[in-house]
Amino acid sequence: AQSVTQLGSHVSVSEGALVLLRCNYSSSVPPYLFWYVQYPNQGLQLLLKYTSAATLVKGINGFEAEFKKSETSFHLTKPSAHMSDAAEYFCAVSSLSGSARQLTFGSGTQLTVLP
Amino acid sequence: GAGVSQSPSNKVTEKGKDVELRCDPISGHTALYWYRQSLGQGLEFLIYFQGNSAPDKSGLPSDRFSAERTGGSVSTLTIQRTQQEDSAVYLCASSFFPPSGGPLQETQYFGPGTRLLVL
Repeated sequence: AQSVTQLGSHVSVSEGALVLLRCNYSSSVPPYLFWYVQYPNQGLQLLLKYTSAATLVKGINGFEAEFKKSETSFHLTKPSAHMSDAAEYFCAVSSLSGSARQLTFGSGTQLTVLP
Repeated sequence: GAGVSQSPSNKVTEKGKDVELRCDPISGHTALYWYRQSLGQGLEFLIYFQGNSAPDKSGLPSDRFSAERTGGSVSTLTIQRTQQEDSAVYLCASSFFPPSGGPLQETQYFGPGTRLLVL
């Protein structure tokens, strides 16, 4: 079975500071990993995904993530936080369960950006 | 183009009543998923439809939950005899199987969800 763990249910950063949201995965096969963002009262929006083409993945809104197999990590970063980045972020791994290609999500990290 | 849409956006019901939640996937997407997002359980997979194949219902929490997909497009999730623990946000996602990639490289696009409150 595959799983993801997000360290830190709440992260606060100052506007302009580095954003680092942590995600570690567990997988017996090469994983396909995703980061989604959820703004209040909205659905999930894809930020970026890793599908083995490149270890450093660039996404929307200035976010990027680096796949590190040795550390089983896929941390999300952004050099400079903006107030509009305040949201909940979910790391997910794609797996096969029977015939379903389901996403298994981490528990989420709520990002607060302080002025 | 239009994204995944869900209706209603909010639903309040009384314990014991049945509810129906609707999902309109992105046009041309062959796969459709239902997930549940609740405070205690996070995001959970419920059910998956792919084309005309039999759905994978492995994530449905009880036999009170059922779903159907008509004409390979619109899907309805039905919860019978609702319980308070069914209160959650129900999210629908659709995807297109990339012809050049493997099955795990698909990207799921999510709707805004239906917030269900069972009193």
